[in-house]
Order: sequence, then structure tokens, then C-alpha cells
Amino acid sequence: KAGVTQTPRYLIKTRGQQVTLSCSPISGHRSVSWYQQTPGQGLQFLFEYFSETQRNKGNFPGRFSGRQFSNSRSEMNVSTLELGDSALYLCASSRQTGFGGEKLFFGSGTQLSVL
Amino acid sequence: AQSVTQLGSHVSVSEGALVLLRCNYSSSVPPYLFWYVQYPNQGLQLLLKYTTGATLVKGINGFEAEFKKSETSFHLTKPSAHMSDAAEYFCAVSERDSNYQLIWGAGTKLIIKP
Repeated sequence: KAGVTQTPRYLIKTRGQQVTLSCSPISGHRSVSWYQQTPGQGLQFLFEYFSETQRNKGNFPGRFSGRQFSNSRSEMNVSTLELGDSALYLCASSRQTGFGGEKLFFGSGTQLSVL
Repeated sequence: AQSVTQLGSHVSVSEGALVLLRCNYSSSVPPYLFWYVQYPNQGLQLLLKYTTGATLVKGINGFEAEFKKSETSFHLTKPSAHMSDAAEYFCAVSERDSNYQLIWGAGTKLIIKP
């Protein structure tokens, strides 16, 4: 079974641009979560989608948005990029949501550098 | 509010020595508890989890953790460290009252000395 696939692996953008990151979950998984990881802030939850609906949202500005398609693939968009958006963006999938014991399967992430 | 505290951003042990990574949480209801590991340039991988039942949980790669409700702790241990254990380890907790959103600790980098 293929794992969680994130594309692209690396991305370099300049301030003010926008970026779209893609995540393909494991086949059969309906929940996709996004995280931002930086050395200073650690892992921070962005949002979670389940069956095309946003289920949970973290404390990020509206410049960060996401969506999920009917095949469970998800995209994350960041508009008007700032230097502080430089981070590793991780996607994780799971079969279900709303159950505390769910195991998350993570992709290798997209390393975004904003210059 | 829920929080997870991992003591020590870096822990260094010699190969063959005991590994102990500490995790304390704040939760008003019985939580679900997790340890994830992140190897360099990779995503996170589940090591073990506690949901209900036996408080001593065994995971992959020889790791185990014990849920101690009275101490609100979920420390991760391994009897004998191996060079391949060098990675960053994250403790996380979820509970019903926060819609099961995972709350993460800051992570502990485990360094193995030869």
C-alpha cells in the first residue's frame, strides 16, 4: 500500500507570492490533517479535513486555507507569503476522525523556503 | 487548556544505555496518549499509543511507555539504546473535550553517543 504522498518535496518562493501544496492520503483514508513544523515553534496544527469538510482548525491567519476533494486528496494554500512561513509542512492521513485513538500516517513533508 | 510538556529538548545517552524521555500532560479527563518518532528528513511515525486498558504499552523498535494517571505522565523508555534510535521524539495527547485534536509536545532530540 502506498504511503502518504506530498508534492512538491521542496519549494522556494518569494515574499508576497502564493503557494499550493498537495497531499495524497493512503488509499481508504478519509481524514487529512496539515501541520506546520519549525525549529522554534515545533509542530503546529493547521487544519483537518474529513469527507471534504473542514473538521478542525488551528490558530493560523486566513492566509492559510485548505480543501479536500472527493477522492480524499487535499491541497493547502498559503497566500501573500511571509518570511515566517518558511517551514516544513506535513500532511497526515487516518481512516476515520472523531475517535481519540486514531493513528496518523505522515508524509515526508514539503519544505517551503520564503525569500 | 490542554498542554503537553516534554522535559529536555535534547537528551544524550550512550549506546547500550537506558533511554528515558519524559512527557507530562494536563488533562481533566482520561486522555489518549501517543509517542511519535521523526527520523531526519522524514515525516512522523507512530511508536506507540495508549487508549484504554493496560497502562504499560509496548511499541515498535523495543520502546515502551507507561501511563501514570496520578502523575499525569507518559514517559517513553527503551532498555538499551541503539545508534539507529537517534531521532526526534514527540509526545501527543487528545481528548474528547477538545474534539480529539492532537496537542503536541515540543519534541525531544535523542542523541546516541558511540
